[in-house]
Amino acid sequence: GQNIDQPTEMTATEGAIVQINCTYQTSGFNGLFWYQQHAGEAPTFLSYNVLDGLEEKGRFSSFLSRSKGYSYLLLKELQMKDSASYLCAVRGRMNYGGSQGNLIFGKGTKLSVKP
Amino acid sequence: DARVTQTPRHKVTEMGQEVTMRCQPILGHNTVFWYRQTMMQGLELLAYFRNRAPLDDSGMPKDRFSAEMPDATLATLKIQPSEPRDSAVYFCASGPNPRSNQPQHFGDGTRLSIL
Repeated sequence: GQNIDQPTEMTATEGAIVQINCTYQTSGFNGLFWYQQHAGEAPTFLSYNVLDGLEEKGRFSSFLSRSKGYSYLLLKELQMKDSASYLCAVRGRMNYGGSQGNLIFGKGTKLSVKP
Repeated sequence: DARVTQTPRHKVTEMGQEVTMRCQPILGHNTVFWYRQTMMQGLELLAYFRNRAPLDDSGMPKDRFSAEMPDATLATLKIQPSEPRDSAVYFCASGPNPRSNQPQHFGDGTRLSIL
């Protein structure tokens, strides 16, 4: 089967650092995406990892370990506007025919940033 | 900025009625996805098109749901007859070649309530 696991909720303080973990079990792997979704809005793209290691983009960084089926999203210098749900999504095996390139989403981690 | 456009933004109707949701993908994107999002299930893939051809609709209840792409600028998702359990937010997303590292971009969603 295919499964993406993330914590349901997290709370952190403004200015702090928070790490949101994601573990996955999928039939094949062709990249992992992180999306941010504010309440009542559409998911927006944050980061992409396909090779092991850390990808840094401003205050946000994302890490991937393919051997462990593990990723995390690191948010630094937290701001109130970072309060949102963070969705981990894995792109599975690329087949010639059938499903190609569709993402499997975790249920998201709701992050609340407190003053 | 190029955007995925969905209509309507909100829909409230009685059970048994037909519901049609429309999506205009980003120009040049050849993959289109329909998702349903609920609190319990998170984001679920309903249907997936590449170059207007349906590739995967295994996540869609076949007896009442149908998805089509009559042309490259329009994707539709229909529910007939609708049921209260169909109440959810329906997102359309489009993306470039799935083998690239470019992400899917989401529309603002259709918030559907079936009474």
